[in-house]
Amino acid sequence: GQQVMQIPQYQHVQEGEDFTTYCNSSTTLSNIQWYKQRPGGHPVFLIQLVKSGEVKKQKRLTFQFGEAKKNSSLHITATQTTDVGTYFCAGPAFNKFYFGSGTKLNVKP
Amino acid sequence: DSGVTQTPKHLITATGQRVTLRCSPRSGDLSVYWYQQSLDQGLQFLIQYYNGEERAKGNILERFSAQQFPDLHSELNLSSLELGDSALYFCASSVGIQPGSSYNEQFFGPGTRLTVL
Repeated sequence: GQQVMQIPQYQHVQEGEDFTTYCNSSTTLSNIQWYKQRPGGHPVFLIQLVKSGEVKKQKRLTFQFGEAKKNSSLHITATQTTDVGTYFCAGPAFNKFYFGSGTKLNVKP
Repeated sequence: DSGVTQTPKHLITATGQRVTLRCSPRSGDLSVYWYQQSLDQGLQFLIQYYNGEERAKGNILERFSAQQFPDLHSELNLSSLELGDSALYFCASSVGIQPGSSYNEQFFGPGTRLTVL
């Protein structure tokens, strides 16, 4: 069945270090969305990528959609303690919506 | 505040019981989605409704059912509860019918934490 995997599962960084999470789908996705869930909170939409090879930036966050539209990445430059949370990629397949397994980011001050 | 409301916030019940979770979508959103999130786990898509009709079904157990009413609020019914049903249940809403279609972001409610003892 359809799977959306993310690596790493956990990442601990020192404040100021960079962070990257990778998302891989077993099938081609028409588009991909990224969400952030703070501890104890609910997922919040960050961005959507639609085009093959698309790159979008939001301040310190850079999102990329792979050429084959089966993978994506989120890169955070110079992490801050406010970046703490779990980052999920998500995409539609077979008329359903699949969330990745998530990467939990911890930032040490 | 996403504009999506869920009640109750917490629910504690016993095995074998039945509960109903309620969700009110953002004003103007026609799609409602239900997700289950177990402890430190990802989000499992359960079901989607669009304008009162079931649109897509995910890994929803037969003991679970949902519906969307004419005023667009939705209810998720969980019956014959088991210990493993303990989880956070999120409702999300979006404008359009197709999850993940261009710029059809989902807005999540605060969730209902269900504990089955």
